[in-house]
Amino acid sequence: KNEVEQSPQNLTAQEGEFITINCSYSVGISALHWLQQHPGGGIVSLFMLSSGKKKHGRLIATINIQEKHSSLHITASHPRDSAVYICAVRSHNTDKLIFGTGTRLQVFP
Amino acid sequence: KAGVTQTPRYLIKTRGQQVTLSCSPISGHRSVSWYQQTPGQGLQFLFEYFSETQRNKGNFPGRFSGRQFSNSRSEMNVSTLELGDSALYLCASSLDGQFDASGTGELFFGEGSRLTVL
Repeated sequence: KNEVEQSPQNLTAQEGEFITINCSYSVGISALHWLQQHPGGGIVSLFMLSSGKKKHGRLIATINIQEKHSSLHITASHPRDSAVYICAVRSHNTDKLIFGTGTRLQVFP
Repeated sequence: KAGVTQTPRYLIKTRGQQVTLSCSPISGHRSVSWYQQTPGQGLQFLFEYFSETQRNKGNFPGRFSGRQFSNSRSEMNVSTLELGDSALYLCASSLDGQFDASGTGELFFGEGSRLTVL
């Protein structure tokens, strides 16, 4: 079983829909990252959080440390949001970054 | 402010050769980390450097090595290349790599170096 699990693996949506991507992890962490990767490879860090909730534009990230779960929400989705979204956690024990397998999102106009 | 720069962007090598990849972090960033991305294994942590010292290392064989210079630029080297080393190699920089609420551990990624081993 992977230490970081994401769901769903693939997601399609119509423009304007509210989207949720989930991340569950089994290790103790010092921080959790949400990353976005567009075709071609470049990765952009969306959020780094260790508790609570963060918001940036149409993106919201939440984390529940007790339940070892985080969600990434996209409000009013747009075709330019189409990308792979990756959850990564920094292990508190090893200090290494462990990645989920990613969620491929496609938003259609 | 310039972003993280990785060179070369693309390269093709043959089995048994060695390769050196370079990463120039954002000015003022002292932490550089390296990652390998393959279709089969996804993203995996290679190593992390801070102030010229390797702070952490992933589960990769000794053929994978790296270093960081006094100007924070980093290089990674893969010797005796194997077909399975074909991958996108990404580096990321952060201010100090500390993963606390202050946000100084936020990662800034380069575009990657795509290595093909024939």
